[in-house]
Amino acid sequence: SQQGEEDPQALSIQEGENATMNCSYKTSINNLQWYRQNSGRGLVHLILIRSNEREKHSGRLRVTLDTSKKSSSLLITASRAADTASYFCATDRREGGSEKLVFGKGMKLTVNP
Amino acid sequence: KAGVTQTPRYLIKTRGQQVTLSCSPISGHRSVSWYQQTPGQGLQFLFEYFSETQRNKGNFPGRFSGRQFSNSRSEMNVSTLELGDSALYLCASRLQGALHNEQFFGPGTRLTVL
Repeated sequence: SQQGEEDPQALSIQEGENATMNCSYKTSINNLQWYRQNSGRGLVHLILIRSNEREKHSGRLRVTLDTSKKSSSLLITASRAADTASYFCATDRREGGSEKLVFGKGMKLTVNP
Repeated sequence: KAGVTQTPRYLIKTRGQQVTLSCSPISGHRSVSWYQQTPGQGLQFLFEYFSETQRNKGNFPGRFSGRQFSNSRSEMNVSTLELGDSALYLCASRLQGALHNEQFFGPGTRLTVL
């Protein structure tokens, strides 16, 4: 099962608007990361937030983390057409003696010019 | 600094064949992870290699294997290919093996099994 689940699964907005994506997870985490993927290509790391942090900013990105609700949100302000991509949250998980990053199924953002 | 490179970019195979994919990490990065991405299952972790040793493993059958060389380059092999193995295979490298370190992804290898 997916550790992270993004919501909504697809979002279409106009350039200049803000886009908010949510991620929920099930088990305790040490950190949560957000990645972007352009149309079937590699993922690009956007931002990492640690479990003891509540909010983090990077340029037009703002990430919040609520460990009590096991959820995170990614806000992209003043969106641009170039922000059109799929966005994934990823959480660390330890099971069976292995550590791995578990990705959600992603959210497709379309920014219309 | 050059990014993560993967070869080949596209591959078409038939059922029952085997395939080897290659990944060259960013210079100095010792950890390489492999992921399979499909529309149905999303991104799933295959395995991670660190200093030529498999450190972590996902829930894939033994047909999926990998290795890492002394220069940190990594290969993954899939034997007895099945139609369901059609996917985008991504590798990612990072400086150390800790999960809080940023991963840098390659462009992926698109494998189609006919």
